[in-house]
Amino acid sequence: AQSVTQLGSHVSVSEGALVLLRCNYSSSVPPYLFWYVQYPNQGLQLLLKYTSAATLVKGINGFEAEFKKSETSFHLTKPSAHMSDAAEYFCAVGGYSGGYQKVTFGTGTKLQVIP
Amino acid sequence: DTEVTQTPKHLVMGMTNKKSLKCEQHMGHRAMYWYKQKAKKPPELMFVYSYEKLSINESVPSRFSPECPNSSLLNLHLHALQPEDSALYLCASSQSTSGGLNEQFFGPGTRLTVL
Repeated sequence: AQSVTQLGSHVSVSEGALVLLRCNYSSSVPPYLFWYVQYPNQGLQLLLKYTSAATLVKGINGFEAEFKKSETSFHLTKPSAHMSDAAEYFCAVGGYSGGYQKVTFGTGTKLQVIP
Repeated sequence: DTEVTQTPKHLVMGMTNKKSLKCEQHMGHRAMYWYKQKAKKPPELMFVYSYEKLSINESVPSRFSPECPNSSLLNLHLHALQPEDSALYLCASSQSTSGGLNEQFFGPGTRLTVL
């Protein structure tokens, strides 16, 4: 079964500092990987996705993630944190169950940005 | 239009009530999903509809009854719920459930409280 593990349920950074949110995956086949963001009392918004076209994936709002097969990682980064980046971030892996697509989410990392 | 809408935004119901949640998308997507999200937890898949047919039921109790009247609409009928069913219910849609993993677009959710 495919799964993702997010290291750190809470991450705090200062405004303007580098954001690094960690995600490791487990998959027996080349995975589809996603990062979603959820602001309070809202649904999930896709930040970026990896579908094997390129190892460095650029997303919205200045975020990017690098797929590293040797480390089974797909960490999310942003060079300079903004206050508006404070939210919950979910790493997710996509696969198939019974012939149908299924996405499994990690446990989430809450990002706090300190002014 | 890349929006998934959900109504109502908030719902409070007693354990003997019958209520319904509604989800709508006009992106031409043929796959629609219901997720349940408890506080500080990731979304958990409940149901998947593909081409208006129920494809995946993640062993959800029968007090939750999904319905897909057409390709744009998805309902979740609720009856005799328990307080532990209180959660954020998210709807999502994607182009399909086959032919390469497709991005899921999420609605804002319905915050359900069962008294």
